[in-house]
Amino acid sequence: EAGVAQSPRYKIIEKRQSVAFWCNPISGHATLYWYQQILGQGPKLLIQFQNNGVVDDSQLPKDRFSAERLKGVDSTLKIQPAKLEDSAVYLCASSLQPGQSSGNTIYFGEGSWLTVV
Amino acid sequence: SQQGEEDPQALSIQEGENATMNCSYKTSINNLQWYRQNSGRGLVHLILIRSNEREKHSGRLRVTLDTSKKSSSLLITASRAADTASYFCATGSTSGTYKYIFGTGTRLKVLA
Repeated sequence: EAGVAQSPRYKIIEKRQSVAFWCNPISGHATLYWYQQILGQGPKLLIQFQNNGVVDDSQLPKDRFSAERLKGVDSTLKIQPAKLEDSAVYLCASSLQPGQSSGNTIYFGEGSWLTVV
Repeated sequence: SQQGEEDPQALSIQEGENATMNCSYKTSINNLQWYRQNSGRGLVHLILIRSNEREKHSGRLRVTLDTSKKSSSLLITASRAADTASYFCATGSTSGTYKYIFGTGTRLKVLA
């Protein structure tokens, strides 16, 4: 089965510019996650979708970050304007319904590496 | 915010030795999972243990869970150079929105 697809893999932008990341989850996975992982740290949950609705975005910096999941499938994460501290790997992941025995495993994409200079 | 704290932060061992890493967490959980991340790659699920389980095995992996101490350990037996990676615990929350919070990770280096 195809895994979680992300693009682009690498992006270098100047501060105050904008960037968008795309994610295509595993087919049939209702839950989609965006995590931010700063070098040397664990992944931090930015936003969690259940189908096309947001169930948690408590740690999303909403003044500059936005995310959407149209039609409950693909998702995009946008940063505008970018700051130096946004340099990180942005990991997209998906799972079946969390909380159920079959839905607890999270499948991750390879990540999108962002460098803000 | 980070729920889990892994210990040690870094571990270096010889091939064939066992590697043990620990995870402590703060709030009640439904389950705890361990993931591996090779350098420059995404995270890969290793094993899940539910809150009513105390020990679980999968191949060379052994996971224990002590809910009274809010801690878990991951043991990798007979380590190989290919086990070199960062290991993260993730806790499934029982309160509010069901979500997974990752710890800070243990960087394991296995020397050939």
